[in-house]
Amino acid sequence: EVQLVQSGAAVKKPGESLQISCKGSGYSFASYWIGWVRHTPGKGLELMGRIYPGDSETRYSPSFQGHVIMSADHSIGTAYLQWNSLKASDTAIYYCARHWDSTSSWFDYWGQGTPVTVS
Amino acid sequence: QSALTQPPSASGTPGQRVTISCSGSYSNIGRHFVYWYQHVPGTAPKVLISRNSDRVSGVPDRFSGSKSGTSASLAINGLRSGDEADYYCAVWDDTLSGPVFGGGTTLTVL
Repeated sequence: EVQLVQSGAAVKKPGESLQISCKGSGYSFASYWIGWVRHTPGKGLELMGRIYPGDSETRYSPSFQGHVIMSADHSIGTAYLQWNSLKASDTAIYYCARHWDSTSSWFDYWGQGTPVTVS
Repeated sequence: QSALTQPPSASGTPGQRVTISCSGSYSNIGRHFVYWYQHVPGTAPKVLISRNSDRVSGVPDRFSGSKSGTSASLAINGLRSGDEADYYCAVWDDTLSGPVFGGGTTLTVL
């Protein structure tokens, strides 16, 4: 069974750093892109970018380039999303999702979400 | 502002048919498959429709998708209270060289 399990909720202050994780199981983690998606009530779902765990190639969406860092360790089946200096506007729920077809918009399995509060 | 435009809200009464539109351009909907996601805030989004009109396994046939030119639609027949959620279209965009989500439509069952 394919599963993506994310790390728990985080509460941080502005300026602090944070790394959240997404652990995949039940499939070849290295072989599928992982997307990170932000959800806020005002903007809905936004794709932040994608990472290919096999070689850690990353593709950031323009709005998020330079604000977050995506990484992955395929040996332990885990992808990470990192902030070096959080802002209040980073308050959101963050989802990781498996990108089934790397040239489409098909994200077939999703993590349960990690709420991040910056205040 | 997303490359895909959806109405912010839609509503209907139980049993009615509701359609949600998604408008794009040649560089996205015009050239690529459209996907539709259902998202109940606080839970993981799930894909309902793949490749414009294919229902994902387990999705009731009350849900259907279509595409014409640079627009796509999601139709829900026999509306139920459990259908209340946010619905998003998503498609690959050649200009961005990646997937993009529409702004989302909040469906209310009156």
